[in-house]
Amino acid sequence: QITLKESGPTLVKPTQTLTLTCTFSGFSLSSRGVGVGWLRQPPGKAPEWLAIIYWNADQGYSPSLKSRLTITSDTSKNQVVLIMNNMDPVDTATYYCAHINHGDYGFDYWGQGTLVTVSS
Amino acid sequence: SYELTQPPSVSVSPGQTASITCSGDKLGDKYACWYQQKPGQSPVLVIYQDIKRPSGIPERFSGSNSGNTATLTISGTQAVDEADYYCQAWDATTVVFGGGTNLTVL
Repeated sequence: QITLKESGPTLVKPTQTLTLTCTFSGFSLSSRGVGVGWLRQPPGKAPEWLAIIYWNADQGYSPSLKSRLTITSDTSKNQVVLIMNNMDPVDTATYYCAHINHGDYGFDYWGQGTLVTVSS
Repeated sequence: SYELTQPPSVSVSPGQTASITCSGDKLGDKYACWYQQKPGQSPVLVIYQDIKRPSGIPERFSGSNSGNTATLTISGTQAVDEADYYCQAWDATTVVFGGGTNLTVL
């Protein structure tokens, strides 16, 4: 079955860079149509999409955060990494990675999420 | 930027039908999907491509999308359906979420 799990720091200081890793199993990011996205959800708010990477290495980014984000993948390790620089307290949120079959348009498997707090 | 608008809350009596709307400019020209999220849990996809249900999602969940509005319908609503619901669509290559609707079953 498909599983995803996020890992990374739970606390970062303002201006620091956040690096999150999504480790997945049950699918290959080399399979046509498959993608892995990163999303976040501040406490009490709606999810917000951040970035996505596809089987063919195409990438997409939220227009409002594009300048701060980098998404990469390592298919041999079944991992997708998100880097977000210049962190701010407003970036405090639960960060999720999720699987998508591009043709379906919805994220059908989500990780458990990891809460990242930005505070000095 | 593209926006999706949902009512903040909807209430329904057990056994009745709940309808949650999601509005966006020409949303009917795009595919909409819906997620259910319960407190402390990750979102769960309940509808994709406007009307399709992933395996394991009960038949009482259905969707529609036309004009500027997508609708999630829960027939015979049960207490277990009490949750936050979010619509989502793609605007070109960008993923957009609605603000969410809290469904209360009382």
